[in-house]
Amino acid sequence: AQKVTQAQTEISVVEKEDVTLDCVYETRDTTYYLFWYKQPPSGELVFLIRRNSFDEQNEISGRYSWNFQKSTSSFNFTITASQVVDSAVYFCALRTNAGKSTFGDGTTLTVKP
Amino acid sequence: NAGVTQTPKFRILKIGQSMTLQCTQDMNHNYMYWYRQDPGMGLKLIYYSVGAGITDKGEVPNGYNVSRSTTEDFPLRLELAAPSQTSVYFCASSSTRPPQASSGANVLTFGAGSRLTVL
Repeated sequence: AQKVTQAQTEISVVEKEDVTLDCVYETRDTTYYLFWYKQPPSGELVFLIRRNSFDEQNEISGRYSWNFQKSTSSFNFTITASQVVDSAVYFCALRTNAGKSTFGDGTTLTVKP
Repeated sequence: NAGVTQTPKFRILKIGQSMTLQCTQDMNHNYMYWYRQDPGMGLKLIYYSVGAGITDKGEVPNGYNVSRSTTEDFPLRLELAAPSQTSVYFCASSSTRPPQASSGANVLTFGAGSRLTVL
């Protein structure tokens, strides 16, 4: 069985603050993929970042960065210099090699001006 | 290139009625998924398919059926609607085939969602 846990239900920050969203996952697979998706108030789901289980290199893409640690089964996502438009629900997701994709319950981020 | 198209966008059903949510994708993706999202909650996997003719249960399959007769289409059937099935339903697809495999492997492309209310 696989599971994704996002312990933070809601986070509120002031614009320009950095914010980190936590994600912990469980899987028995040795090959898997981790994702972050964003759901703005309009309701659509938008892909943000992806990481393969065999590549633990952490990267930065614009204001987004992520910290993947296999040893602790964590895949945390950081937004630097947050903006009001970042206000949304953020989902962490795990996909096994067999194709099954499981989502966490989401973290609602509110960025206040 | 329309991506993932779901119909209808909104539907109200009476208890016990049946309906089919349609989902089609034009990206030649081999994987397709159905999720439901209850208010304030995350996405729960209902069924998924790794290719035409192959389907498998997700976390919450009870009360639903699917079929995958073509690569493009993955309809979701509700046989006897119940109030507990009131939710927003999302269809999604992804690819493990080149060239998508190298650039966007396994990234889910979602439809716009279908809001279903059962009264």
